[in-house]
Amino acid sequence: AQTVTQSQPEMSVQEAETVTLSCTYDTSESDYYLFWYKQPPSRQMILVIRQEAYKQQNATENRFSVNFQKAAKSFSLKISDSQLGDAAMYFCAYRTRLQGGSEKLVFGKGTKLTVNP
Amino acid sequence: GAGVSQSPRYKVTKRGQDVALRCDPISGHVSLYWYRQALGQGPEFLTYFNYEAQQDKSGLPNDRFSAERPEGSISTLTIQRTEQRDSAMYRCASSLGARGRNQPQHFGDGTRLSIL
Repeated sequence: AQTVTQSQPEMSVQEAETVTLSCTYDTSESDYYLFWYKQPPSRQMILVIRQEAYKQQNATENRFSVNFQKAAKSFSLKISDSQLGDAAMYFCAYRTRLQGGSEKLVFGKGTKLTVNP
Repeated sequence: GAGVSQSPRYKVTKRGQDVALRCDPISGHVSLYWYRQALGQGPEFLTYFNYEAQQDKSGLPNDRFSAERPEGSISTLTIQRTEQRDSAMYRCASSLGARGRNQPQHFGDGTRLSIL
């Protein structure tokens, strides 16, 4: 079974600085998707960024980018120019891309990000 | 609305009662998922529907939990004879479907269930 590990329960960053959140996963599959979700205090669950494993190019979405290292099974999230609104729980998630495979997302335990003014 | 809608937002009930949680997915989304999120944890998968068919229920913890989506739209997650350990946030998500393609799951705001 696939597992997702977020080794940093909490992180903090100064406003306007850059922070990197770590995520590693374990799978025997070669084709899959990876996601980062943001959960602010409002308790929404917001998709931040996604990556297909077959794509070598790292995904970017404005101030958010990933460092996808397939061989190392690592998928870190970099937030540049951090803003107060970035404060939230961040969850890394995995989903298989296999035809006939489960559609479920497998989540890590999350990293709580604090942004200091 | 444009997003996934869940009701109620909060549910407090006594141990032993049955509860029904409702999810209204985004219009046109054929895939629907239920997750449970304990405090301080990431969401854990419960079950998945493709249209009205329950394709995967491997995450349902025991037979007190059931879910249905009779018309391929609104879904209900039912917990019978609730226990205190059932207390959690229950989240619903939907996606366009198309198995094997990168269709992201969009989450509702959840129902926070408290069993006294």
